[in-house]
Amino acid sequence: AQSVTQLDSQVPVFEEAPVELRCNYSSSVSVYLFWYVQYPNQGLQLLLKYLSGSTLVKGINGFEAEFNKSQTSFHLRKPSVHISDTAEYFCAVSDTLGGATNKLIFGTGTLLAVQP
Amino acid sequence: AAGVIQSPRHLIKEKRETATLKCYPIPRHDTVYWYQQGPGQDPQFLISFYEKMQSDKGSIPDRFSAQQFSDYHSELNMSSLELGDSALYFCASSLGGQWAYEQYFGPGTRLTVT
Repeated sequence: AQSVTQLDSQVPVFEEAPVELRCNYSSSVSVYLFWYVQYPNQGLQLLLKYLSGSTLVKGINGFEAEFNKSQTSFHLRKPSVHISDTAEYFCAVSDTLGGATNKLIFGTGTLLAVQP
Repeated sequence: AAGVIQSPRHLIKEKRETATLKCYPIPRHDTVYWYQQGPGQDPQFLISFYEKMQSDKGSIPDRFSAQQFSDYHSELNMSSLELGDSALYFCASSLGGQWAYEQYFGPGTRLTVT
């Protein structure tokens, strides 16, 4: 079974400052890793994913994340945030066992609050 | 591009009533997932279907049932509703098999049980 821990429930940051949202996972098998963003009263939008290969993955809206297998982490970063980045961010994991379907296990989310 | 469609977007029911939530996947997607997100919580996996057959099951109450139809749309049926069933219900779709990790989420159905 897999689990995901997002260490920060809320991250306040000023506009144009850099930000890092932390995510650690636990799994006995290889995993795929994802970051989703949820704007108020909206669905989940995929920001980026790690499947294999380069450990640094780039996503939409200037976000990037780095997979660190030894630390079982997949932290999300952005060098300069905007007010419009204010949203809930979820880290998620799925196994790579190759079944017909692949459920996602989510962390508890981090609210990124960008202040002017 | 076409997205996942969920209906209704909002639903208000009373305790002990039944509710049916519908999900229309992206065209050519043969896999559907249902997730439940309680207030201030992370989405929890309920159930998934591949090619009209149940593939995986999570923490779905026995009062809930779901199926995927021949046109690949899916319905989540919820009976004997309880206050604790109030949540945002997401449907996601994907291609099956090796592409099953690439899930696209719908906007959700917000169910309020009073």
